[in-house]
Amino acid sequence: DGGITQSPKYLFRKEGQNVTLSCEQNLNHDAMYWYRQDPGQGLRLIYYSQIVNDFQKGDIAEGYSVSREKKESFPLTVTSAQKNPTAFYLCASSTRSTSGGGRYFGPGTRLTVL
Amino acid sequence: QKEVEQDPGPLSVPEGAIVSLNCTYSNSAFQYFMWYRQYSRKGPELLMYTYSSGNKEDGRFTAQVDKSSKYISLFIRDSQPSDSATYLCAMSDPLIIQGAQKLVFGQGTRLTINP
Repeated sequence: DGGITQSPKYLFRKEGQNVTLSCEQNLNHDAMYWYRQDPGQGLRLIYYSQIVNDFQKGDIAEGYSVSREKKESFPLTVTSAQKNPTAFYLCASSTRSTSGGGRYFGPGTRLTVL
Repeated sequence: QKEVEQDPGPLSVPEGAIVSLNCTYSNSAFQYFMWYRQYSRKGPELLMYTYSSGNKEDGRFTAQVDKSSKYISLFIRDSQPSDSATYLCAMSDPLIIQGAQKLVFGQGTRLTINP
């Protein structure tokens, strides 16, 4: 079945640590996205990538980094520079069609800072 | 002012009731309107997709767009306990910036259907 997988489901981080969240898709989508979800704030875009080896900052990129070495994979690193990283992180993908930009989402990773 | 406003609820109704979920927006360029359903601790799934104004029906769900009032709604008929979830509205315009269409989400409304 086609879809998006994210791992791990739960992640705990100590202060000062970098952690990497995995996102893989087998939908053959060109575009991939990372969102952060906090209670009462909806989804906020962190980074997105339209093509391999290229990515763009979203609305809240500070303290995060990404890479896009393969079409199927778009890992997100939460660095120690991110001051409030506890949140639910969602990876999404879409075609490059211009019709609306609807996203397919993965199951999410819940990151907690200890 | 946020581009998209959505009442966060929570909203609790008895089984079988008609549910109305709403969003307002300020950007008149929005042309595509979506509703996502998100179960607890899961990723959102696309529920309804509408282009421009009008109504769209899919089973017990109806999406309504009123561009003149900048107002969109999702109606759920004969609501079931399995409809209990957070519902997020989302919208975008045709403009492509740095290769992507911007998709703006509402805050989400948490809905509970009581048996």
